[in-house]
Amino acid sequence: DTAVSQTPKYLVTQMGNDKSIKCEQNLGHDTMYWYKQDSKKFLKIMFSYNNKELIINETVPNRFSPKSPDKAHLNLHINSLELGDSAVYFCASSQDRTSGALYNEQFFGPGTRLTVL
Amino acid sequence: SQKIEQNSEALNIQEGKTATLTCNYTNYSPAYLQWYRQDPGRGPVFLLLIRENEKEKRKERLKVTFDTTLKQSLFHITASQPADSATYLCAIRMDSSYKLIFGSGTRLLVRP
Repeated sequence: DTAVSQTPKYLVTQMGNDKSIKCEQNLGHDTMYWYKQDSKKFLKIMFSYNNKELIINETVPNRFSPKSPDKAHLNLHINSLELGDSAVYFCASSQDRTSGALYNEQFFGPGTRLTVL
Repeated sequence: SQKIEQNSEALNIQEGKTATLTCNYTNYSPAYLQWYRQDPGRGPVFLLLIRENEKEKRKERLKVTFDTTLKQSLFHITASQPADSATYLCAIRMDSSYKLIFGSGTRLLVRP
């Protein structure tokens, strides 16, 4: 009955490879997010989808491509991995449906630790 | 430039004392501010939210204040326990935006 789940939890790969991280939420939320947390613990928004529509697209290299097949899933595909991509990637979701939606809390997944060698 | 700052040094306190964590922001006008707890190897967990027109919010042993003049939020944990040891993140959100902007967090250590 996990609320927001991510796979895999750990990902170790070589530079230049392409990899994907999957995220699913069973909370019935409309909005999902991808964050990157670097070694200094800064949590930075990368992308957000609301009902399968891209609504936030921060300054992220175009090697990163999110895909939302339905509102319960948001996957992150990364091409041509670089050393600097090593970080923990968190998926999150929020309701954002009611009139007070802008105030809603975000529910985070357990994170995927990506190590690029 | 726009910044959210939290004390990067760990806060080390004795069990039973009140922990006070600070979140300062510049060049933002947030609609509200949230506090999250993050344990090692896990995702952040929501604790409290305070709106721009609220001065103070409480939940059990937690209290948050929000001073939009000082551009500061204080997060208090009263009667702290070793189980409160974690990193605490503040995050702000602008009006009409889905984006949460996080501070880098402050690590709290509560000694038994």
